[in-house]
Amino acid sequence: EVQLVESGGGLVQPGGSLRLSCAASGFTFSSYSMNWVRQAPGKGLEWVSYISSSSGTIYSADSVKGRFTISRDNAKNSLYLQMSSLRDDDTAVYYCAILTVNAFDIWGQGTMVTVSS
Amino acid sequence: DIQMTQSPSSLSASVGDRVTITCRASQSISSYLNWYQQKPGKAPKLLIYAASSLQSGVPSRFSGSGSGTDFTLTISSLQPGDFATYYCQQGYSTPWTFGQGTKVEIK
Repeated sequence: EVQLVESGGGLVQPGGSLRLSCAASGFTFSSYSMNWVRQAPGKGLEWVSYISSSSGTIYSADSVKGRFTISRDNAKNSLYLQMSSLRDDDTAVYYCAILTVNAFDIWGQGTMVTVSS
Repeated sequence: DIQMTQSPSSLSASVGDRVTITCRASQSISSYLNWYQQKPGKAPKLLIYAASSLQSGVPSRFSGSGSGTDFTLTISSLQPGDFATYYCQQGYSTPWTFGQGTKVEIK
């Protein structure tokens, strides 16, 4: 069974840092591009960042560029999102998702990040 | 950035009704349009990709159509498990963007 499990969320103060992880299983992780997508409480979906299967190509939304860094470790079947200079408007559920046929095919259950003093 | 606009933002319908949700892109995105269903507290689920291709395991009462800038998601006969929020998303170019969502509620 294909499974994505996010972890690392929590409460952090504005200006702080947090590292999210996404553990993948049930498929050949190293063959797929991966993404982070977030959803603020009661709001819609916002794509955050993309990484290709080999880490050779990375894209990020302007709202997080320079603050968030996506990475992956294919040997550990894991995806990461290093978040720094966190702001109140970064408060959201963060999902990792597999990208296939230009669509977000499989999603994890999400991890909540709350930025508040 | 490509803006995605859904209509309506919400609708009330009864079990068995035919439901149509529209999504418009701010520029042509060919057929790079996807539809997702999200239930409260759950992750989104891919229903339709490439405008009209049904994702594996999704009931055939869901269908998608359109190309260019105008797209439609149709539920032919609404079932109790279909009450949820639906999002369109363009896969044409980064930043990939979503519509604001359409909440389908019970009448």
